[in-house]
Amino acid sequence: SAVISQKPSRDICQRGTSLTIQCQVDSQVTMMFWYRQQPGQSLTLIATANQGSEATYESGFVIDKFPISRPNLTFSTLTVSNMSPEDSSIYLCSVKDGNGPFFGPGTRLTVL
Amino acid sequence: QQQVKQSPQSLIVQKGGISIINCAYENTAFDYFPWYQQFPGKGPALLIAIRPDVSEKKEGRFTISFNKSAKQFSLHIMDSQPGDSATYFCAASMDSNYQLIWGAGTKLIIKP
Repeated sequence: SAVISQKPSRDICQRGTSLTIQCQVDSQVTMMFWYRQQPGQSLTLIATANQGSEATYESGFVIDKFPISRPNLTFSTLTVSNMSPEDSSIYLCSVKDGNGPFFGPGTRLTVL
Repeated sequence: QQQVKQSPQSLIVQKGGISIINCAYENTAFDYFPWYQQFPGKGPALLIAIRPDVSEKKEGRFTISFNKSAKQFSLHIMDSQPGDSATYFCAASMDSNYQLIWGAGTKLIIKP
C-alpha cells in the first residue's frame, strides 16, 4: 500500500489566518482525497483532487475556503483559509491505490 | 439511501472475547465494504475489506461477515486483545467512484 506523509502534523493558528497542509505519497496515484474529522466524529469528505483537473468539492465545502492544489501524481496541498475556531479538526489526506483508500497520519489543527 | 448505520457506538469486551461491530446500508449499488481501525492521534488504517460476491472474509483474528439480502455486514475480532482498543469505522462505496460513505464509528475497549 502507498505510504502517505503529511505536514504539519499539528498546528495552532489564530483566527483569520490560513494554513496550508501538504500531502506526499511515495508512489504515483491518480485519486487523492481530503477529509475532515472533527473530534470524536466520523470522517467527512472535503474534496477529490485528481491530477490535471480541478478539485471536486462536496456539499458544504467551497474552493474559496479550502483551495486545493494537485501539481503532480505524488503531491497535493489543502489550504484552510480565513480560519475560525469551527475549523479546528483533523485534516486527512487519502489515496486510492488499487485497494484502500489509504490515509495519511493527519494534521491536527486548532484555531484560537 | 447513502447512509451507513453502525452499531454499537461503544463496546467493552474482556480480553480473549469476541468483539462484534455491525453495519447496515441501503444503497444496493455499493460493492466495496472496508473496515478501518483508528488509534488516537493517527489516521484510519485499512483493516479488511469485502466485496458482495463473498459472504465472509478472514484475515488473522479479523473476519468480515456479509449478508447481501439483509444489506448488513459485520466485523468480528476473535481473541480480542488490549492492543485492539481503538475506534473502528465501517464504510461502503461504489467501486466506480471510490467515494466512501462512513459509519459513525465504534469505540472498542478491551479490558485486560
